[in-house]
Amino acid sequence: ETGVTQTPRHLVMGMTNKKSLKCEQHLGHNAMYWYKQSAKKPLELMFVYSLEERVENNSVPSRFSPECPNSSHLFLHLHTLQPEDSALYLCASSQVAGNSGANVLTFGAGSRLTVL
Amino acid sequence: SQQGEEDPQALSIQEGENATMNCSYKTSINNLQWYRQNSGRGLVHLILIRSNEREKHSGRLRVTLDTSKKSSSLLITASRAADTASYFCATDADTGRRALTFGSGTRLQVQP
Repeated sequence: ETGVTQTPRHLVMGMTNKKSLKCEQHLGHNAMYWYKQSAKKPLELMFVYSLEERVENNSVPSRFSPECPNSSHLFLHLHTLQPEDSALYLCASSQVAGNSGANVLTFGAGSRLTVL
Repeated sequence: SQQGEEDPQALSIQEGENATMNCSYKTSINNLQWYRQNSGRGLVHLILIRSNEREKHSGRLRVTLDTSKKSSSLLITASRAADTASYFCATDADTGRRALTFGSGTRLQVQP
């Protein structure tokens, strides 16, 4: 609907499961992001892939593992999650155009994750 | 600590009234952006204001930026029930890091 497609939209998993979230952007952008949105908290940046460089938030637990095989696809691999990881996971993309250029994000609809 | 902080956290108004939301931030910025999010969905970009601009308009939206106070405001005029959503400010910091930093948002409820 917005040029950024996330699947699945809803996911329920147990703490011992391994699952993946997928994001695909059809906008020709050169940067992709994972954000975590928990209730009543600011959006938390998890990972950025920009111009083939990966930048990560050092506070993100290792049970979250990103993969970006090309500029159009982004995955978030999940394993041994905790109930507090339940949240809305948002993927976004943008066209980064140098330090002086504006960086406007286009978001997907999100993947609602529930960890039992 | 978070970069953007919106105020108020929640706002309820009647259709036709104006809604004002405020955002404060901590570091120097290239630009500040406002996004809207309908319940359980992704964020949608509304408007961007650069650090050398003081005011910007887009339809019923008016954004101001005061870099000396590190604050911004979003005004929605003549609100409609369809404006009901959460509104977030996001800062594009002047650090070379190319990811936006978002606040917790203001939840706006427009009563018909």
